[in-house]
Amino acid sequence: AQSVTQLGSHVSVSEGALVLLRCNYSSSVPPYLFWYVQYPNQGLQLLLKYTSAATLVKGINGFEAEFKKSETSFHLTKPSAHMSDAAEYFCAVSKTGSEKLVFGKGTKLTVNP
Amino acid sequence: DAGITQSPRHKVTETGTPVTLRCHQTENHRYMYWYRQDPGHGLRLIHYSYGVKDTDKGEVSDGYSVSRSKTEDFLLTLESATSSQTSVYFCAISESSKSEQFFGPGTRLTVL
Repeated sequence: AQSVTQLGSHVSVSEGALVLLRCNYSSSVPPYLFWYVQYPNQGLQLLLKYTSAATLVKGINGFEAEFKKSETSFHLTKPSAHMSDAAEYFCAVSKTGSEKLVFGKGTKLTVNP
Repeated sequence: DAGITQSPRHKVTETGTPVTLRCHQTENHRYMYWYRQDPGHGLRLIHYSYGVKDTDKGEVSDGYSVSRSKTEDFLLTLESATSSQTSVYFCAISESSKSEQFFGPGTRLTVL
């Protein structure tokens, strides 16, 4: 069975600092991997997705993630945090595409002025 | 934004009563999904549909049923609500099994 582990339920950074949100997955086959963002009282919005085309994936709002098969990781980064990045971030995995996504428990990002 | 609406947006009900949540889309997407979101659990798939009258169970389907009689509507029914079903419910749609899911605004359900 697939699973996703997000290390750190809460991450706090200063405005302008590097953002690093960690995601490790387990999958018996090459997976599809996703990062979603949820702003308060809203639904989820796709940030980026990995579908085996390239290991470094660029998404919206300056975020990117690198697929590392040897480490079974798909960590999300942004070079410089902005106050508007404060939200909850979810990593998700699927064997077949977006169908039957398995989500991590989420990481809440706080950006301090 | 993808054309997805959920109704009601908020509902308070009592244990043992039936509850139906509705998801409506204007995108003509084939796939529709129901998730529940609980603190510390992320999102968990309840049921999904891959076409009219075609549905399948997700990770946490016990106590829930779904129906899809037309492309645009996907109903989630709690036959007899329990306090453990207090949650925020999200509907999502996707054009195919390989394309991204778009999420609705959510329904906050409280079962007393």
